[in-house]
Amino acid sequence: AQKVTQAQTEISVVEKEDVTLDCVYETRDTTYYLFWYKQPPSGELVFLIRRNSFDEQNEISGRYSWNFQKSTSSFNFTITASQVVDSAVYFCALSEGGATNKLIFGTGTLLAVQP
Amino acid sequence: SQTIHQWPATLVQPVGSPLSLECTVEGTSNPNLYWYRQAAGRGLQLLFYSVGIGQISSEVPQNLSASRPQDRQFILSSKKLLLSDSGFYLCAWSAWAAREASSNEKLFFGSGTQLSVL
Repeated sequence: AQKVTQAQTEISVVEKEDVTLDCVYETRDTTYYLFWYKQPPSGELVFLIRRNSFDEQNEISGRYSWNFQKSTSSFNFTITASQVVDSAVYFCALSEGGATNKLIFGTGTLLAVQP
Repeated sequence: SQTIHQWPATLVQPVGSPLSLECTVEGTSNPNLYWYRQAAGRGLQLLFYSVGIGQISSEVPQNLSASRPQDRQFILSSKKLLLSDSGFYLCAWSAWAAREASSNEKLFFGSGTQLSVL
């Protein structure tokens, strides 16, 4: 069965610190997709990134970077030089794709960036 | 461009009353549609998904039901609300996987409905 674990319930950092959000997943499929979503206080989920299981290249987008390691079934998310606007709940998710395209979410990590 | 509308934004209902939350998608056809619930612990739980009109799959047994009367309309309902139905409900859509490979597997979420059952 599919499962996503985000062991960090809450993280608090001071502005400009780097922070890494952990995500560990379980799946029996060889083809799958991993996601990160951001949920700011407004509640709406904002898509951040999608990676497929065949692409282990790390990705950087501005202050955001993602480290995908199949050997440890992890897809960690790092924010460099954090800012107050980064404060939100961050969800990692897993999908096997296909016709139904269901996303299975982790329980989320609440990131609080203090000024 | 595609947009998703979900309403109402906030709802307070007494126990035992009915519920109807509506979600519509614009700018695409034959989307996959989803209802998620986020309870107090912040986890997102998939409640229902639909790959076509009249096709509803339930992920967890519960007091709720879903319907898809039109291609781009997804409705979450209950005949009698329970206290445990309180939560933040999110509707989402994704492109039909086989047809739009470039946006495959990405879900787009609505702004959510905060339901409080008292």
